[in-house]
Amino acid sequence: ETGVTQTPRHLVMGMTNKKSLKCEQHLGHNAMYWYKQSAKKPLELMFVYSLEERVENNSVPSRFSPECPNSSHLFLHLHTLQPEDSALYLCASSQDLGGALTITDTQYFGPGTRLTVL
Amino acid sequence: AQKVTQAQTEISVVEKEDVTLDCVYETRDTTYYLFWYKQPPSGELVFLIRRNSFDEQNEISGRYSWNFQKSTSSFNFTITASQVVDSAVYFCARSTGSARQLTFGSGTQLTVLP
Repeated sequence: ETGVTQTPRHLVMGMTNKKSLKCEQHLGHNAMYWYKQSAKKPLELMFVYSLEERVENNSVPSRFSPECPNSSHLFLHLHTLQPEDSALYLCASSQDLGGALTITDTQYFGPGTRLTVL
Repeated sequence: AQKVTQAQTEISVVEKEDVTLDCVYETRDTTYYLFWYKQPPSGELVFLIRRNSFDEQNEISGRYSWNFQKSTSSFNFTITASQVVDSAVYFCARSTGSARQLTFGSGTQLTVLP
């Protein structure tokens, strides 16, 4: 496997289900991201992890719960979602270059999970 | 919020035509990065180019070229002799030099007809 992979590619769930999205990066990066892409809206950054610590959380509802057990894996746990949460969820990774200013290199994206909430 | 604007929602061209995708950004930062990504129907965002705010040289890569004009806050993307495989949604994005946040434009759907 190369690059950034995501599973599953498609997911249909009811509002009472609990499911998880998985992302794995094979690029040796130390930062990972979750984005949401809804129809006709710009990509929205949800969470950022750097060195396995959550460094940004952009006012995302608590029904989305991220987990980063190591620098290669990122999960997004889903529970009691709403139909408006239906979207393409994209994972990305980059190399944080550190320093006094946190400079980060280019983000590379996975193919996404197409989520439909019924 | 400092926006990235891609005014062209959809563009259709016939194969072999040249096409330019516009991107205008807002920023209060002196150091920032600009990006273009391609999203084919498969969904994956494919990285095309990254430029930093101090480098205004235009860049050419095969059929792709980019025109960065700091004075007008624009970073336009031209595809020369377009091909059907160029059909995709193209996103322009901006990040600041000290943040991990990418601000994306709303994308331009390019359709290249045979």
